[in-house]
Amino acid sequence: EPEVTQTPSHQVTQMGQEVILRCVPISNHLYFYWYRQILGQKVEFLVSFYNNEISEKSEIFDDQFSVERPDGSNFTLKIRSTKLEDSAMYFCASSPNGYGYTFGSGTRLTVV
Amino acid sequence: AQSVSQHNHHVILSEAASLELGCNYSYGGTVNLFWYVQYPGQHLQLLLKYFSGDPLVKGIKGFEAEFIKSKFSFNLRKPSVQWSDTAEYFCAVKDSNDYKLSFGAGTTVTVRA
Repeated sequence: EPEVTQTPSHQVTQMGQEVILRCVPISNHLYFYWYRQILGQKVEFLVSFYNNEISEKSEIFDDQFSVERPDGSNFTLKIRSTKLEDSAMYFCASSPNGYGYTFGSGTRLTVV
Repeated sequence: AQSVSQHNHHVILSEAASLELGCNYSYGGTVNLFWYVQYPGQHLQLLLKYFSGDPLVKGIKGFEAEFIKSKFSFNLRKPSVQWSDTAEYFCAVKDSNDYKLSFGAGTTVTVRA
């Protein structure tokens, strides 16, 4: 069964550093998403991406965040200057049609 | 965006017991409904989904859910749980004209052998 692959599985970074979280969506999917889950809290929507542009973003997704699909296969989330409160599990998801989603296994980001 | 409520934070039960997890969403209209499971250390996996049609939906691993539109509910059930059902369960709702899923807070289910 096709999978969404996320790397790394765990990243530790110092506050103020930039991080890039990587995702390889399922190859024929057209819609891409990032969600995050702070420990003990709900899974929260960050951003959706379709047709090479952001289709929707949440209040969390401020100027510190950006997404790219640089080469047609990877889908990245960049956090420019990490804060302690960015520590969370980040999930990538993809969908062929905007209705059914496949999630990756997540990247646990720890900001110290 | 929808607000999704899951009534139980942590459920502990014995093998062979029946399980029901509640899920309510905040407002009507056309919605797509999902239950996901997250086993320890693993990714979110789809258990079942409802888009339209029969409100009683059967999913994988013996799970089912019932959509009751008048109650804005989509409760998950399993008649007889196994130890391997120990996991976190998330209800999620998507408005049909929206891109994003709104998740509930999750319910941790612990099944004791």
